[in-house]
Amino acid sequence: QKEVEQNSGPLSVPEGAIASLNCTYSDRVSQSFFWYRQYSGKSPELIMSIYSNGDKEDGRFTAQLNKASQYVSLLIRDSQPSDSATYLCAVKRRGGADGLTFGKGTHLIIQP
Amino acid sequence: NAGVTQTPKFQVLKTGQSMTLQCAQDMNHNSMYWYRQDPGMGLRLIYYSASEGTTDKGEVPNGYNVSRLNKREFSLRLESAAPSQTSVYFCASGSETLGEAFFGQGTRLTVV
Repeated sequence: QKEVEQNSGPLSVPEGAIASLNCTYSDRVSQSFFWYRQYSGKSPELIMSIYSNGDKEDGRFTAQLNKASQYVSLLIRDSQPSDSATYLCAVKRRGGADGLTFGKGTHLIIQP
Repeated sequence: NAGVTQTPKFQVLKTGQSMTLQCAQDMNHNSMYWYRQDPGMGLRLIYYSASEGTTDKGEVPNGYNVSRLNKREFSLRLESAAPSQTSVYFCASGSETLGEAFFGQGTRLTVV
């Protein structure tokens, strides 16, 4: 059974600090990994994708993937109040046409 | 630059009524999806379509039907609405190769 696990939070981080969000997955044939940001009452918005082990940086965001440990993380540097949202981790298995499996999300609060 | 467009945004149904949620994408994606999002349950896949003319069941298909009308449009039908179908419904489209999915703005459905 495909599972994606996230700590539901809330995770509270001071403004300007680094927010660290974590995700584990159970399906070893997972191929692609994504982070979505969802503001309350809005739809999920893709912010990062990562396909191979290591780090991928995009502006203030860094995604980290460790396939051996089945672990994905998202770092947000210089956190801003506008980063307050729920962050969803999603995975796609190799060859699967059935879309993404999502974690339940981590609620992040950036305290001014 | 519409992306994925869903209609309606809000709907209230009485138990036993039927309705169709419409979804269209202009990103030339082969794959389209319908998810529902419930508090504490995360995003769950209802149905998906890997290409025009094909549809398959996801994690929670009971009580729903879908139609992939053409490459752009993928509709979700509730034949006899039940209170358990009260949820926020999201349509998404994506590249099967990369795996990423892009979401519409959602439909908030209440069944009374």
